[in-house]
Amino acid sequence: EAHLVESGGGLVQPGGSLTLSCVASGFSFNEYAMSWVRQGPGKGLEWVSSIGSTRRLTIYADSVEGRFTISRGNSDNTVYLQMTSLREEDTAMYYCAKQNGNDDGPFDSWGQGTLVTVSS
Amino acid sequence: EVVLTQAPAALSVSPGERVTLSCRAARTVTHRLAWYQQKPGQPPRFLIYDASTRATGVPAKFSGSGSETQFTLTINNLQPEDYAVYFCHQYYFWPHTFGQGTKLEIK
Repeated sequence: EAHLVESGGGLVQPGGSLTLSCVASGFSFNEYAMSWVRQGPGKGLEWVSSIGSTRRLTIYADSVEGRFTISRGNSDNTVYLQMTSLREEDTAMYYCAKQNGNDDGPFDSWGQGTLVTVSS
Repeated sequence: EVVLTQAPAALSVSPGERVTLSCRAARTVTHRLAWYQQKPGQPPRFLIYDASTRATGVPAKFSGSGSETQFTLTINNLQPEDYAVYFCHQYYFWPHTFGQGTKLEIK
């Protein structure tokens, strides 16, 4: 069974940077695409970014394009989200999610999330 | 991006009853639609994919149907643990998009 554990969230000022990590276990990490999905306080789910199993595919929501970078280490079963130029509207719980295909698919496993708060 | 509309935003249903939740896509997403259940303070739980296939471990009381632009999630014999928010999600187009959710409340 897949197990995902996020870390790296916290309080950051507008314009600041933060890097989130997600350690995966319980499945063949290098065979599946991975994503970040966020949920603002009291709001719905918003897809943020995805990375394919071989890293050839990386894709971003328009709202974070040019500010966030997704990457993965297939040797350490970790996916990262580097976030720069953070805005108050980036405040959210950030979930790491496994997709059920090597480049795409629905999110079949989720971590517990890490909270990012952007505030002065 | 493909807008997914879930209606109604909230629904009150009595335990033991059956409920059908709706998700409408602004344009066709073929069968590439999933459903998730989310309870307060928890991450989403994967329920249905490819419109009608139950995820591993999901009980048969949950069933999905539909294609193209119209999808439904039916839950039979509602139990206290089924009261939650349900989201639909299309993965046919980038960006992936979610519906705004339907909150299922105890009547």
